[in-house]
Amino acid sequence: DTEVTQTPKHLVMGMTNKKSLKCEQHMGHRAMYWYKQKAKKPPELMFVYSYEKLSINESVPSRFSPECPNSSLLNLHLHALQPEDSALYLCASSREIVDTDTQYFGPGTRLTVL
Amino acid sequence: LAKTTQPISMDSYEGQEVNITCSHNNIATNDYITWYQQFPSQGPRFIIQGYKTKVTNEVASLFIPADRKSSTLSLPRVSLSDTAVYYCLVGPYNQGGKLIFGQGTELSVKP
Repeated sequence: DTEVTQTPKHLVMGMTNKKSLKCEQHMGHRAMYWYKQKAKKPPELMFVYSYEKLSINESVPSRFSPECPNSSLLNLHLHALQPEDSALYLCASSREIVDTDTQYFGPGTRLTVL
Repeated sequence: LAKTTQPISMDSYEGQEVNITCSHNNIATNDYITWYQQFPSQGPRFIIQGYKTKVTNEVASLFIPADRKSSTLSLPRVSLSDTAVYYCLVGPYNQGGKLIFGQGTELSVKP
């Protein structure tokens, strides 16, 4: 099983809402990632978790709050977002944080902030 | 960090071989070259990775010259389903696991 699943597939939220994105993998991977991708642009790294601990935060605004409750799950909690935060949010996982380790991506959550 | 440069877009026809070249003039000694493919509304998918010379798998071939300042992804006999964005990445990076995607090449395959 080389699948990373993400829910929901689509999400529409207002600027005052609180919502969460969920990511799951059952490949035994110990590194998990959140990326943000705007239309016609490449994915940009947001967070990296290694062994359920936050390893990298790419200076992401605090309205995005990641959480890794266990080795298979990764959440992204959203609060007080802005319309410019509308994007495709991608989750990925890899065996370990190794520079050459292949990352497996989920299909993404398409987020629209009104 | 090694910067990569790729063509923004390419057009091809079904059945043709497509070669996408990526320039990475300041590649470091311990950097690998990796290509990812992304279909619309999906996450990127690993295609192939190499360090030097030639690598081939069931999907593509990767050609890397001796100076490693460029690399070429070769897709044999493309079909409509190969229409996607192809990203060239060079690493490792200073912080482990940090994939830096360049602008990518949007390949359009026509019938």
